[in-house]
Amino acid sequence: RKEVEQDPGPFNVPEGATVAFNCTYSNSASQSFFWYRQDCRKEPKLLMSVYSSGNEDGRFTAQLNRASQYISLLIRDSKLSDSATYLCVVPYNTDKLIFGTGTRLQVFP
Amino acid sequence: DAGVTQSPTHLIKTRGQQVTLRCSPKSGHDTVSWYQQALGQGPQFIFQYYEEEERQRGNFPDRFSGHQFPNYSSELNVNALLLGDSALYLCASRPPGGSPYEQYFGPGTRLTVT
Repeated sequence: RKEVEQDPGPFNVPEGATVAFNCTYSNSASQSFFWYRQDCRKEPKLLMSVYSSGNEDGRFTAQLNRASQYISLLIRDSKLSDSATYLCVVPYNTDKLIFGTGTRLQVFP
Repeated sequence: DAGVTQSPTHLIKTRGQQVTLRCSPKSGHDTVSWYQQALGQGPQFIFQYYEEEERQRGNFPDRFSGHQFPNYSSELNVNALLLGDSALYLCASRPPGGSPYEQYFGPGTRLTVT
Protein backbone atom coordinates (compact mmCIF):
# COMPACT_ATOMS: atom_id res chain seq x y z
CA ARG A 1 0.00 0.00 0.00
CA LYS A 2 1.29 3.45 -0.90
CA GLU A 3 2.03 5.80 1.97
CA VAL A 4 -0.39 8.40 0.62
CA GLU A 5 -3.00 7.67 -2.04
CA GLN A 6 -5.27 10.02 -3.94
CA ASP A 7 -7.67 9.74 -6.84
CA PRO A 8 -5.80 11.51 -9.66
CA GLY A 9 -8.99 12.77 -11.30
CA PRO A 10 -9.45 14.94 -13.21
CA PHE A 11 -12.56 16.29 -11.59
CA ASN A 12 -14.41 18.53 -14.03
CA VAL A 13 -17.07 20.60 -12.26
CA PRO A 14 -19.12 23.70 -13.13
CA GLU A 15 -18.72 26.95 -11.28
CA GLY A 16 -20.68 26.96 -8.04
CA ALA A 17 -20.47 23.20 -7.56
CA THR A 18 -19.30 21.45 -4.43
CA VAL A 19 -16.48 18.95 -4.90
CA ALA A 20 -14.71 16.63 -2.48
CA PHE A 21 -11.38 14.86 -2.69
CA ASN A 22 -10.29 11.95 -0.54
CA CYS A 23 -6.85 10.84 0.49
CA THR A 24 -5.83 7.70 2.39
CA TYR A 25 -2.61 7.25 4.33
CA SER A 26 -0.85 4.17 5.67
CA ASN A 27 1.03 5.45 8.74
CA SER A 28 -1.44 5.23 11.62
CA ALA A 29 1.00 7.18 13.82
CA SER A 30 0.75 10.34 11.70
CA GLN A 31 -0.49 13.31 13.71
CA SER A 32 -0.65 16.14 11.20
CA PHE A 33 -1.84 16.37 7.64
CA PHE A 34 -1.82 19.01 4.94
CA TRP A 35 -3.45 19.92 1.68
CA TYR A 36 -1.28 21.77 -0.81
CA ARG A 37 -2.39 23.46 -3.98
CA GLN A 38 -0.23 23.35 -7.08
CA ASP A 39 -0.96 25.41 -10.16
CA CYS A 40 0.28 24.23 -13.51
CA ARG A 41 4.09 24.35 -13.68
CA LYS A 42 4.31 26.15 -10.32
CA GLU A 43 5.49 25.14 -6.87
CA PRO A 44 3.15 23.61 -4.27
CA LYS A 45 1.69 26.03 -1.76
CA LEU A 46 0.13 25.18 1.58
CA LEU A 47 -3.66 25.38 1.47
CA MET A 48 -4.74 23.91 4.80
CA SER A 49 -3.41 21.95 7.73
CA VAL A 50 -5.39 19.39 9.72
CA TYR A 51 -4.37 18.38 13.22
CA SER A 52 -7.55 17.14 14.88
CA SER A 53 -10.89 16.22 13.38
CA GLY A 54 -11.03 18.99 10.86
CA ASN A 55 -10.40 22.55 9.76
CA GLU A 56 -12.48 25.10 7.88
CA ASP A 57 -11.31 28.16 5.98
CA GLY A 58 -13.98 29.96 4.01
CA ARG A 59 -15.15 27.71 1.19
CA PHE A 60 -12.63 25.01 2.07
CA THR A 61 -13.12 22.30 4.69
CA ALA A 62 -10.63 19.60 5.53
CA GLN A 63 -11.70 16.61 7.59
CA LEU A 64 -9.74 13.80 9.20
CA ASN A 65 -10.95 10.29 9.96
CA ARG A 66 -8.22 8.60 11.98
CA ALA A 67 -10.06 5.30 12.33
CA SER A 68 -10.27 4.88 8.57
CA GLN A 69 -7.02 6.73 7.92
CA TYR A 70 -8.33 9.17 5.39
CA ILE A 71 -8.42 12.91 4.93
CA SER A 72 -10.88 14.79 2.78
CA LEU A 73 -10.97 18.24 1.24
CA LEU A 74 -14.32 19.83 0.44
CA ILE A 75 -14.57 22.88 -1.78
CA ARG A 76 -17.91 24.68 -1.84
CA ASP A 77 -19.10 27.18 -4.45
CA SER A 78 -16.22 26.35 -6.81
CA LYS A 79 -14.58 29.23 -8.65
CA LEU A 80 -12.70 29.15 -11.93
CA SER A 81 -9.61 30.12 -9.94
CA ASP A 82 -9.87 26.90 -7.93
CA SER A 83 -8.67 24.96 -10.98
CA ALA A 84 -5.40 23.37 -9.87
CA THR A 85 -3.93 20.12 -8.57
CA TYR A 86 -4.57 19.41 -4.90
CA LEU A 87 -1.88 17.44 -3.13
CA CYS A 88 -2.47 15.48 0.05
CA VAL A 89 0.60 15.56 2.30
CA VAL A 90 1.49 13.50 5.36
CA PRO A 91 4.72 14.45 7.15
CA TYR A 92 6.99 11.48 7.81
CA ASN A 93 8.74 13.62 10.37
CA THR A 94 9.44 17.31 10.91
CA ASP A 95 10.98 17.75 7.51
CA LYS A 96 10.21 14.87 5.18
CA LEU A 97 6.85 15.38 3.54
CA ILE A 98 5.15 12.47 1.81
CA PHE A 99 3.00 13.69 -1.08
CA GLY A 100 0.17 11.95 -2.83
CA THR A 101 0.08 12.02 -6.62
CA GLY A 102 -2.40 14.89 -6.51
CA THR A 103 -5.98 15.30 -7.68
CA ARG A 104 -6.57 17.58 -10.63
CA LEU A 105 -9.57 19.90 -10.49
CA GLN A 106 -10.91 21.77 -13.51
CA VAL A 107 -13.74 24.23 -12.90
CA PHE A 108 -15.59 25.29 -16.03
CA PRO A 109 -17.93 28.26 -16.61
CA ASP B 1 11.54 39.61 1.76
CA ALA B 2 12.65 37.22 -0.97
CA GLY B 3 11.23 33.76 -0.82
CA VAL B 4 13.03 30.59 -1.82
CA THR B 5 14.88 31.08 -5.09
CA GLN B 6 16.21 28.44 -7.45
CA SER B 7 18.43 28.52 -10.50
CA PRO B 8 18.33 27.86 -13.33
CA THR B 9 14.61 27.79 -14.10
CA HIS B 10 15.02 25.41 -17.02
CA LEU B 11 17.81 23.10 -18.09
CA ILE B 12 18.32 20.64 -20.92
CA LYS B 13 20.99 17.98 -20.58
CA THR B 14 22.03 14.81 -22.41
CA ARG B 15 22.08 11.33 -20.94
CA GLY B 16 25.29 10.65 -19.06
CA GLN B 17 25.98 14.29 -18.27
CA GLN B 18 26.12 15.85 -14.86
CA VAL B 19 24.00 18.73 -13.56
CA THR B 20 24.08 21.12 -10.62
CA LEU B 21 20.97 22.89 -9.39
CA ARG B 22 21.05 25.74 -6.88
CA CYS B 23 18.76 26.92 -4.12
CA SER B 24 18.75 29.96 -1.83
CA PRO B 25 16.47 29.53 1.16
CA LYS B 26 14.03 32.10 2.45
CA SER B 27 15.67 34.68 4.71
CA GLY B 28 16.08 33.31 8.24
CA HIS B 29 15.67 29.68 7.18
CA ASP B 30 18.48 27.23 7.88
CA THR B 31 17.14 23.87 6.68
CA VAL B 32 16.87 22.98 3.01
CA SER B 33 15.14 19.97 1.47
CA TRP B 34 15.11 18.83 -2.14
CA TYR B 35 12.23 17.11 -3.92
CA GLN B 36 11.84 15.57 -7.36
CA GLN B 37 8.48 15.85 -9.09
CA ALA B 38 8.02 13.78 -12.22
CA LEU B 39 5.19 14.64 -14.59
CA GLY B 40 1.83 13.63 -13.18
CA GLN B 41 3.29 12.68 -9.81
CA GLY B 42 3.59 14.30 -6.42
CA PRO B 43 6.97 15.57 -5.21
CA GLN B 44 9.29 12.91 -3.79
CA PHE B 45 11.77 13.68 -1.02
CA ILE B 46 15.41 13.41 -2.12
CA PHE B 47 17.31 14.67 0.92
CA GLN B 48 17.59 17.40 3.51
CA TYR B 49 20.50 19.55 4.61
CA TYR B 50 21.04 21.20 7.95
CA GLU B 51 24.25 22.68 9.33
CA GLU B 52 26.00 21.78 6.08
CA GLU B 53 25.31 18.08 6.52
CA GLU B 54 22.85 15.66 4.94
CA ARG B 55 20.43 14.86 7.71
CA GLN B 56 17.85 12.70 5.93
CA ARG B 57 17.68 10.92 2.61
CA GLY B 58 14.88 9.45 0.55
CA ASN B 59 15.04 6.48 -1.81
CA PHE B 60 17.35 7.98 -4.38
CA PRO B 61 20.60 6.50 -5.70
CA ASP B 62 24.04 7.85 -4.90
CA ARG B 63 24.05 9.65 -8.25
CA PHE B 64 22.09 12.28 -6.36
CA SER B 65 24.25 14.28 -4.00
CA GLY B 66 24.10 17.65 -2.40
CA HIS B 67 25.82 20.31 -0.46
CA GLN B 68 24.89 23.12 1.88
CA PHE B 69 27.03 26.21 2.27
CA PRO B 70 27.64 28.34 5.39
CA ASN B 71 25.08 30.87 4.14
CA TYR B 72 22.49 28.02 4.08
CA SER B 73 22.21 27.94 0.30
CA SER B 74 22.32 24.50 -1.23
CA GLU B 75 23.19 22.61 -4.38
CA LEU B 76 21.79 19.41 -5.80
CA ASN B 77 24.11 17.42 -8.06
CA VAL B 78 23.01 14.58 -10.30
CA ASN B 79 25.63 12.47 -12.08
CA ALA B 80 25.27 10.14 -15.05
CA LEU B 81 21.88 11.56 -15.99
CA LEU B 82 19.16 9.16 -17.13
CA LEU B 83 16.07 9.96 -19.17
CA GLY B 84 14.05 9.20 -16.03
CA ASP B 85 15.72 12.07 -14.19
CA SER B 86 13.64 14.50 -16.24
CA ALA B 87 11.47 16.26 -13.67
CA LEU B 88 10.78 19.44 -11.76
CA TYR B 89 13.27 19.74 -8.91
CA LEU B 90 11.90 21.65 -5.95
CA CYS B 91 13.78 23.13 -3.05
CA ALA B 92 12.04 23.83 0.24
CA SER B 93 13.31 25.66 3.29
CA ARG B 94 12.10 26.09 6.84
CA PRO B 95 13.15 28.26 9.78
CA PRO B 96 15.04 26.99 12.85
CA GLY B 97 12.75 24.78 14.92
CA GLY B 98 9.96 25.19 12.41
CA SER B 99 7.04 22.83 11.93
CA PRO B 100 6.34 20.84 8.76
CA TYR B 101 3.78 23.39 7.60
CA GLU B 102 6.42 26.08 7.73
CA GLN B 103 8.23 24.64 4.72
CA TYR B 104 8.26 27.01 1.79
CA PHE B 105 8.88 25.80 -1.72
CA GLY B 106 10.85 27.53 -4.44
CA PRO B 107 9.57 27.77 -8.03
CA GLY B 108 11.65 24.77 -9.07
CA THR B 109 14.11 23.91 -11.81
CA ARG B 110 12.69 21.99 -14.75
CA LEU B 111 15.28 19.49 -15.96
CA THR B 112 14.90 17.76 -19.29
CA VAL B 113 17.26 14.90 -20.14
CA THR B 114 17.43 13.93 -23.82
